[in-house]
Amino acid sequence: NAGVTQTPKFRILKIGQSMTLQCTQDMNHNYMYWYRQDPGMGLKLIYYSVGAGITDKGEVPNGYNVSRSTTEDFPLRLELAAPSQTSVYFCASSYRDRFQPQHFGDGTRLSIL
Amino acid sequence: SQELEQSPQSLIVQEGKNLTINCTSSKTLYGLYWYKQKYGEGLIFLMMLQKGGEEKSHEKITAKLDEKKQQSSLHITASQPSHAGIYLCGADRTSGTYKYIFGTGTRLKVLA
Repeated sequence: NAGVTQTPKFRILKIGQSMTLQCTQDMNHNYMYWYRQDPGMGLKLIYYSVGAGITDKGEVPNGYNVSRSTTEDFPLRLELAAPSQTSVYFCASSYRDRFQPQHFGDGTRLSIL
Repeated sequence: SQELEQSPQSLIVQEGKNLTINCTSSKTLYGLYWYKQKYGEGLIFLMMLQKGGEEKSHEKITAKLDEKKQQSSLHITASQPSHAGIYLCGADRTSGTYKYIFGTGTRLKVLA
């Protein structure tokens, strides 16, 4: 009963490096989301997807890219890592975009040095 | 824009005490969710409220949505160390292109 799986759990990057955060869900949910959580700031939506092949920007998309080639996978890419991207990243999924709770992965702790 | 404010930001209580966390919206809420986050882990869904005056309970946790649907409270009775964590409220937005917002969270510590 995996739910939403994120990898890696921790990562340290140097400024200017790139990396992809992986997210997979096995609940056949159409909607998937990427959030970042900064200390004391709650969750901010980076990108979301309403289905395979469809993605859209959230509240804080700058510096990130996403793709959704399958229903299950929704990777988040950082192209040129900056210290401001140091955060905890959460992937989530839901069956619908409203009146449905979101299911979260355990997060990826990312530090940019 | 619609925002969710949570209070208090942090809370330390003695085991066995009751406590309440509040979530207030600047606009009418059409779906209000409570989540719990253990330190270093993801969010776990607790309860969803939709109707004005609605109240739901699970074990020792009760969530309420006021009649005007602009404020929700989460009440824990006889707190235990297992209740410790961060509690976040989330809501369906009434407008905008993306549908979900979160409060800033309440950090709860329960002293044994």
